[in-house]
Amino acid sequence: ETGVTQTPRHLVMGMTNKKSLKCEQHLGHNAMYWYKQSAKKPLELMFVYSLEERVENNSVPSRFSPECPNSSHLFLHLHTLQPEDSALYLCASSHTTGRRGYTFGSGTRLTVV
Amino acid sequence: AQSVTQLDSHVSVSEGTPVLLRCNYSSSYSPSLFWYVQHPNKGLQLLLKYTSAATLVKGINGFEAEFKKSETSFHLTKPSAHMSDAAEYFCVVSEISGTSYDKVIFGPGTSLSVIP
Repeated sequence: ETGVTQTPRHLVMGMTNKKSLKCEQHLGHNAMYWYKQSAKKPLELMFVYSLEERVENNSVPSRFSPECPNSSHLFLHLHTLQPEDSALYLCASSHTTGRRGYTFGSGTRLTVV
Repeated sequence: AQSVTQLDSHVSVSEGTPVLLRCNYSSSYSPSLFWYVQHPNKGLQLLLKYTSAATLVKGINGFEAEFKKSETSFHLTKPSAHMSDAAEYFCVVSEISGTSYDKVIFGPGTSLSVIP
């Protein structure tokens, strides 16, 4: 375990479903991130929360909705997804500067059918 | 503007031989540099980091990287490859952005295969 826990590890959902991904850290970090990792593509930053405030959206479609209720928890709410949204979704956390590096969770493998 | 180039998308080495994974970067300011490793179906794990201290950085699992400012490089090396080193490796640059968090750019990754 890295200290960043993501659940579920695997998720299969239909295009009309609503589901949520959860990320939790107890490392004392105050910045949290959602990344999307698709096959043969660079890692894509989706959302950044610093001190529980969203500071970057990165033009992510509105069918992805993040929530950060406190500095230890981060959610990604999913609804009406498309098959091309199938990917590995990675959560990471860091101190606000990020210069000490990120700690990543193991990811949620999402398949949209 | 920041960018990270990993010169090889795939590297294959024999077990017991040296590993060299190349990374070049561009950055407007004094960057922090990182290498991460990702094993199949896992998250990314921090291998090592450079943050303006010693230019030769030692990491976990016997990996090292040397920061060469004149060459804008941060190549990752290991003297002797092990089968368990087979994974995807990402070079990452981070610099102060003037916002409440640093701007971080991931390289495209290098896939390392280790042949028995």
